[in-house]
Amino acid sequence: NAGVTQTPKFRILKIGQSMTLQCTQDMNHNYMYWYRQDPGMGLKLIYYSVGAGITDKGEVPNGYNVSRSTTEDFPLRLELAAPSQTSVYFCASSPRQGSNSPLHFGNGTRLTVT
Amino acid sequence: ILNVEQSPQSLHVQEGDSTNFTCSFPSSNFYALHWYRWETAKSPEALFVMTLNGDEKKKGRISATLNTKEGYSYLYIKGSQPEDSATYLCAFTLAGNTGKLIFGQGTTLQVKP
Repeated sequence: NAGVTQTPKFRILKIGQSMTLQCTQDMNHNYMYWYRQDPGMGLKLIYYSVGAGITDKGEVPNGYNVSRSTTEDFPLRLELAAPSQTSVYFCASSPRQGSNSPLHFGNGTRLTVT
Repeated sequence: ILNVEQSPQSLHVQEGDSTNFTCSFPSSNFYALHWYRWETAKSPEALFVMTLNGDEKKKGRISATLNTKEGYSYLYIKGSQPEDSATYLCAFTLAGNTGKLIFGQGTTLQVKP
């Protein structure tokens, strides 16, 4: 059972480039999340999804887009990378019961924008 | 705006000391409060999910309490060990929007041998 898988693990982007961070889970979880880790700030919610075809903005959605065409996949898209998006990104999922169940986290993607 | 505050921001204790820290959250429309343990270079791991006022949960030397009426939760570690060194995060969600899980900034614990 792989759990939550994120790719790539590391990436360096130039300002203005675009990329997609991939996240997939094999636990049939309905709820999926994207967080970014900022020093001293814990985890900030970027986007979340409560099921296939449904997405919603979190605390810091600007500069990002998401889609949820299947239960398994929840990719995060950066269209025009900026230095402020340098961070570690975590994808997470939880079962149908939603916030009454703990999150399962992926191993993170470390992104540097120069 | 959901505001989840954790205190202290960091804590240094000696091995064997017991310690506790606080998570404060909005008391209205409460749905659930989570605690996670986050070791350096790893992913956060769930400790507890708490939903009922007065709830107490325990896992080994770590326990947590919940007061939804006044909007706080305490995490206690009894007899701290160096392997307890980590950042402890709490997260909160409102009834009516149970998908939106908001984290506090964390309390970083360093246990010295």
